[in-house]
Amino acid sequence: SQQGEEDPQALSIQEGENATMNCSYKTSINNLQWYRQNSGRGLVHLILIRSNEREKHSGRLRVTLDTSKKSSSLLITASRAADTASYFCATADNAGGTSYGKLTFGQGTILTVHP
Amino acid sequence: EPEVTQTPSHQVTQMGQEVILRCVPISNHLYFYWYRQILGQKVEFLVSFYNNEISEKSEIFDDQFSVERPDGSNFTLKIRSTKLEDSAMYFCASSEAGQFNEKLFFGSGTQLSVL
Repeated sequence: SQQGEEDPQALSIQEGENATMNCSYKTSINNLQWYRQNSGRGLVHLILIRSNEREKHSGRLRVTLDTSKKSSSLLITASRAADTASYFCATADNAGGTSYGKLTFGQGTILTVHP
Repeated sequence: EPEVTQTPSHQVTQMGQEVILRCVPISNHLYFYWYRQILGQKVEFLVSFYNNEISEKSEIFDDQFSVERPDGSNFTLKIRSTKLEDSAMYFCASSEAGQFNEKLFFGSGTQLSVL
């Protein structure tokens, strides 16, 4: 698999349910970030978790990071129809000389929340 | 919240023509980036820019591409002789201090169609 692979590729749930998306990566990272993209729009930063952190919360978002398994998960609790979007994980590699804003994105998970 | 603005939102051009995509990063940000997303594929890093110099560029960013900060507010991506495979959504992004563990702010993108 390639750096930053999400699964599932598509997720369809009912409003009020929780949505969990997973991301795997291959290299040593400095941090992992999750972004959201509404159809035809730009990427919006949701949350960043550093390589020395295991879990982070922000509102209805919960992110976990397991560096031993090179994986992360994004949990959206009590989902709303407005959460319908594509969600991407992106890693900042820990390679020497890598510029700070060089992110490697995954393929993304398309989340549909039905009202 | 301050935002990155990109113009135009859509650009249609003929193969072989030059195009310039324009971006206005957030005013106090020092680091600027271009990413692209070919339809159905991952968001890919193209180039990072700081202090009027390219910090890092990907293999995609060949001699056909160039970036410039012509004044204190604009940041441009030029493609000298467009190819069909340059058709993609191009995203500009900026960050405040270019540090690890810092989020990127993305614009809404320019959809480039090369005919």
